[in-house]
Amino acid sequence: EAAVTQSPRNKVAVTGGKVTLSCNQTNNHNNMYWYRQDTGHGLRLIHYSYGAGSTEKGDIPDGYKASRPSQENFSLILELATPSQTSVYFCASGDGTGKDTQYFGPGTRLLVL
Amino acid sequence: AQSVTQPDARVTVSEGASLQLRCKYSYSGTPYLFWYVQYPRQGLQLLLKYYSGDPVVQGVNGFEAEFIKSNSSFHLRKASVHWSDSAVYFCAVSEDYNQGKLIFGQGTKLSIKP
Repeated sequence: EAAVTQSPRNKVAVTGGKVTLSCNQTNNHNNMYWYRQDTGHGLRLIHYSYGAGSTEKGDIPDGYKASRPSQENFSLILELATPSQTSVYFCASGDGTGKDTQYFGPGTRLLVL
Repeated sequence: AQSVTQPDARVTVSEGASLQLRCKYSYSGTPYLFWYVQYPRQGLQLLLKYYSGDPVVQGVNGFEAEFIKSNSSFHLRKASVHWSDSAVYFCAVSEDYNQGKLIFGQGTKLSIKP
């Protein structure tokens, strides 16, 4: 069974603080993705990676960094959190082809005060 | 640029009634099309996908969708809904050589009346 886990599940941060969201997958997929979900926008791609050591910008990368230290782990980093980054963040993994099914984690709810 | 439009933010149907959730995409080539479902407080799960062949694709739990290229549509259907189908449904599009990146529609929240 495909498995993607995220931590923490809920996070409250202060404006200007640093936030790290973590994702782990046991699917041995090459690709991993970070999305944010906001009402009226669906899911939007922030960063993605096609293997350990790689990170690529998605459609809305401003204010975010990513890190892929291993095949299994992919982190999203908010160096200076802002209230506009309050959202639900989803990590996903996949084999990186267009036909690919992506497997999603349960999400992290982030509130930036 | 690719885009996906789900024109209905919310849909309410009675239990046992039929369902259609609309999805239209904008893409110049032949896209790969997906429907994902999100149950409350959970991540997204694949319902079905289309990438070639028979334009009517079957998914889990009795869902199906039809790819109509001339109309740039990929509507989701179910003959008889159950209360457990209450969820948010997302249509998404991808293509070859893009590292599997998905473009999502805005989502449609489905509510089932008893």
